[in-house]
Amino acid sequence: QKEVEQNSGPLSVPEGAIASLNCTYSDRGSQSFFWYRQYSGKSPELIMFIYSNGDKEDGRFTAQLNKASQYVSLLIRDSQPSDSATYLCAVNGDKIIFGKGTRLHILP
Amino acid sequence: DVKVTQSSRYLVKRTGEKVFLECVQDMDHENMFWYRQDPGLGLRLIYFSYDVKMKEKGDIPEGYSVSREKKERFSLILESASTNQTSMYLCASNGDTGYGYTFGSGTRLTIV
Repeated sequence: QKEVEQNSGPLSVPEGAIASLNCTYSDRGSQSFFWYRQYSGKSPELIMFIYSNGDKEDGRFTAQLNKASQYVSLLIRDSQPSDSATYLCAVNGDKIIFGKGTRLHILP
Repeated sequence: DVKVTQSSRYLVKRTGEKVFLECVQDMDHENMFWYRQDPGLGLRLIYFSYDVKMKEKGDIPEGYSVSREKKERFSLILESASTNQTSMYLCASNGDTGYGYTFGSGTRLTIV
């Protein structure tokens, strides 16, 4: 059974600090990795994707991939209250598998 | 702005009814998916389609069927609705299996 694991949280981070969200996956053949943000009662929204080992930065967001350790992370710099949401990690091998998400709460 | 549109935001139906959930995308995407999302269970794949007239079962297809007569439209059918099908239903599409999904806004379905 291929799996994507995330800590369910909630993860509480002070406003302005760095939020670090982590994800591990079981399928070594996975090729594509995604982070979605989901506000309460809304649908998931794709915010980052990464295909190669290393870091990928987009504004305040950085995705990090380590295929050897089967580990993906998302860093959110200068956290804002509007970043409070559930963050879903998704991994694509022969099909996309979603983690159950980490709830992030930014404390004003 | 590219879109995946689900026909209803909220829907209430009775046990035993046949229920149709419609999804339309305007991105000319080949691939379309239906998920349900429940607290503590995450996103679970019901059915997907990689082409017109084509459909594949996902992880939880029981009690559901789908139809894809046109590339842009993917319908989910609850053959005889039951209370355990009360859930948030999400349609998604992508243009290639290596790309991320665009999700619709979701349909919160309640079966009474």
